[in-house]
Amino acid sequence: NAGVTQTPKFQVLKTGQSMTLQCAQDMNHEYMSWYRQDPGMGLRLIHYSVGAGITDQGEVPNGYNVSRSTTEDFPLRLLSAAPSQTSVYFCASSYGPPGTRGYTFGSGTRLTVV
Amino acid sequence: GESVGLHLPTLSVQEGDNSIINCAYSNSASDYFIWYKQESGKGPQFIIDIRSNMDKRQGQRVTVLLNKTVKHLSLQIAATQPGDSAVYFCAENIRAGGTSYGKLTFGQGTILTVHP
Repeated sequence: NAGVTQTPKFQVLKTGQSMTLQCAQDMNHEYMSWYRQDPGMGLRLIHYSVGAGITDQGEVPNGYNVSRSTTEDFPLRLLSAAPSQTSVYFCASSYGPPGTRGYTFGSGTRLTVV
Repeated sequence: GESVGLHLPTLSVQEGDNSIINCAYSNSASDYFIWYKQESGKGPQFIIDIRSNMDKRQGQRVTVLLNKTVKHLSLQIAATQPGDSAVYFCAENIRAGGTSYGKLTFGQGTILTVHP
């Protein structure tokens, strides 16, 4: 049982490049989310999913796409990287609505866009 | 407590003291509140949660108090230890349309430093 696994752990992109941040969980959790964390800003919700095939936007969705084709995986795609997307990205999952003991978080992907 | 801006609030305590971390939330439709602890270089870790129909909940060395009248949440840590040094976040689960969605909204965090 690996929990929530994020890859890669570190990434440097050039402005305009695209990439996919991977997130996988092996706990059969229905709810999954992506957050970004900037210094002094806490965690902000990018996109979330309440089950396979169902996604919705969070607080800061622009520049990001998601899909949820399986229960286990919830990849986050950066369409055309911008320096403003330099951040630490966290994926999280929970069995039910996250109010019940909250989300389990991965260890994060540190992204730098130059 | 929580604040808006680029600088996180800080709390410094001596080992063995009790710590109180405060959080103001915004949405009266929130049905769950959660406290997370985040150590440097790691993802947030669940500490304790409380439902909106409660005003107090206790865990191991931690107590969460909820005051819905003023939309205020606090985390009390008893006998604070150096290992408690971290950033602490409150989060609220916003209920909409009669169901709890997966939208957990975080506060900006408080840095707790425990001196031996």
